[in-house]
Amino acid sequence: EAQVTQNPRYLITVTGKKLTVTCSQNMNHEYMSWYRQDPGLGLRQIYYSMNVEVTDKGDVPEGYKVSRKEKRNFPLILESPSPNQTSLYFCASSPRGQQWDEQFFGPGTRLTVL
Amino acid sequence: AQTVTQSQPEMSVQEAETVTLSCTYDTSESDYYLFWYKQPPSRQMILVIRQEAYKQQNATENRFSVNFQKAAKSFSLKISDSQLGDAAMYFCAKAGGSEKLVFGKGTKLTVNP
Repeated sequence: EAQVTQNPRYLITVTGKKLTVTCSQNMNHEYMSWYRQDPGLGLRQIYYSMNVEVTDKGDVPEGYKVSRKEKRNFPLILESPSPNQTSLYFCASSPRGQQWDEQFFGPGTRLTVL
Repeated sequence: AQTVTQSQPEMSVQEAETVTLSCTYDTSESDYYLFWYKQPPSRQMILVIRQEAYKQQNATENRFSVNFQKAAKSFSLKISDSQLGDAAMYFCAKAGGSEKLVFGKGTKLTVNP
């Protein structure tokens, strides 16, 4: 089944404890992206990647890191999480390296930082 | 910054009736794409409909259609014959050219039986 998977789906952690949220797609998509969703703010882009080894900042990149060593994987790294990073996170991918393609979203990761 | 504005934080509709969700945007691009995404309580983001700005004909997908007014920078979503399963958050989004995909803040749609 063609899909975008994220792990974990739920995570409660404490301030300063490094964590990684994994994202993987099995559709051979070139473009991948991370968003965070907060009440009243909609979805905001954190980082995106047009292809392997190519990443760029979105609108809210502070406090996050990403890497794209393989086409299928695009992990989101929080080196030192803080409570303001408590949010719902979505990974998405699209076939070509274009932002206007339909994006296929993962199921979301609910992160709570205490 | 490019923005997408959804002026209705919440809307409600009776089952089988029609509802229209509003979206306006700003852009400096001549060619771009507009989207409506649905997020049901499962939280899964699902593409409802997509419109290419250079196409004058309004996009339709079954009971979902858009009213695209390029000069007014307006992109509303009409849901006909509303069903209980249409209850969700709906997000308008825009992308194109050098612009990243930008989402509006969402409209929560309630469908009353």
